[in-house]
Amino acid sequence: QSALTQPASVSGSPGQSITISCTGTSSDVGSYNLVSWYQQHPGKAPKLMIYEGSKRPSGVSNRFSGSKSGNTASLTISGLQAEDEADYYCCSYAGSSTLEVFGGGTKLTVL
Amino acid sequence: QLQLQESGPGLVKPSETLSLTCTVSGGSISSSSYYWGWIRQPPGKGLEWIGSIYYSGSTYYNPSLKSRVTISVDTSKNQFSLKLSSVTAADTAVYYCARSDISHYGMDVWGQGTTVTVSS
Repeated sequence: QSALTQPASVSGSPGQSITISCTGTSSDVGSYNLVSWYQQHPGKAPKLMIYEGSKRPSGVSNRFSGSKSGNTASLTISGLQAEDEADYYCCSYAGSSTLEVFGGGTKLTVL
Repeated sequence: QLQLQESGPGLVKPSETLSLTCTVSGGSISSSSYYWGWIRQPPGKGLEWIGSIYYSGSTYYNPSLKSRVTISVDTSKNQFSLKLSSVTAADTAVYYCARSDISHYGMDVWGQGTTVTVSS
């Protein structure tokens, strides 16, 4: 079980849109529409932002959206705000015995 | 409102066993809709899924840790626990417990995390 691949960092200016990619394999991301995305601010627990690839939990801004193509999932944040600056992690279902695999995380900087 | 709270020693000696408990309040651990899992984060690094358990006792482990990990559930106390044996400094991390919905595996409720340091 290898970690999913994310860019180490991305940045954008307030009001802009950014996309974070999450590349897995045909054993995880490519086989299931069960990718979730988490936001983590320093010293805090992660927060679920997207589940099942593109669905938002209640209370999460519609500026956050998710998609998938082949073995790669993506998180897009539109209308960047200063409070979006955080680390973002993707996670995929990886089968009935392993269950979950995380990406390495991406640090988002709002310029 | 469901809450999770990790508890256990903050310092463990090398080669010993790390033991943590997650107490669930505001809801039942015996719900058929959720898995209950452990995730860790070494200092300055990313998240790593350790394993999960269903209320029935079915367990699922990260293959890289499987030989050292045991997760158990105590439905009478509304708790689940983690044991990690033969620890080394590499096991120093913040350990989180979390709830996963079995329909989509998203972890929607997290504990605040507890720091465990492995040192003599």
